Amino acid sequence: DVKVTQSSRYLVKRTGEKVFLECVQDMDHENMFWYRQDPGLGLRLIYFSYDVKMKEKGDIPEGYSVSREKKERFSLILESASTNQTSMYLCASRILQGYEQYFGPGTRLTVT
Amino acid sequence: GQNIDQPTEMTATEGAIVQINCTYQTSGFNGLFWYQQHAGEAPTFLSYNVLDGLEEKGRFSSFLSRSKGYSYLLLKELQMKDSASYLCAVRDRSDMRFGAGTRLTVKP
Repeated sequence: DVKVTQSSRYLVKRTGEKVFLECVQDMDHENMFWYRQDPGLGLRLIYFSYDVKMKEKGDIPEGYSVSREKKERFSLILESASTNQTSMYLCASRILQGYEQYFGPGTRLTVT
Repeated sequence: GQNIDQPTEMTATEGAIVQINCTYQTSGFNGLFWYQQHAGEAPTFLSYNVLDGLEEKGRFSSFLSRSKGYSYLLLKELQMKDSASYLCAVRDRSDMRFGAGTRLTVKP
């Protein structure tokens, strides 16, 4: 059974803190994605990765960075958290030529 | 870039049929997807269209017209558990972009 896990369901951080969101998939998928989801805006792509150590910017990369040192793990980093980064963060993965993306349960991040 | 438009909210009655429309503009088309998302949960895959026409899967069907940049998701025999957000997504050459979603409320 396909599984994408995220390190936390809920997270509260202070402005200026460095924040790490971890995502792990156990399906040997090449592609991994980070989205944020906000009311009225839907899912917006932050970064994605096709392979280990590879990364591509999505639509809203500003204020974020990513790391993919191992195939199964894709980390999203907020270098200095700000209140406008309060959101639901969703990780997803799929095989390279596949069409279905599998999502993790999401991390609701609140920055105060 | 991509623009994906779908209605914000819809309401329908249990047992009825509802059609959720999605229009899109994309620089390169490589498939259209529908996802279902219950409140507080992750999106789950419903359907995929890459060629024009209707794809049927049980109570759910999805239609695509590439020339019109148009798709719809048809839900038949609505059940209360179908109350959820329905996300239209388009893949271009590289990756997938999502619409804002349509929140469907099914009433008894």
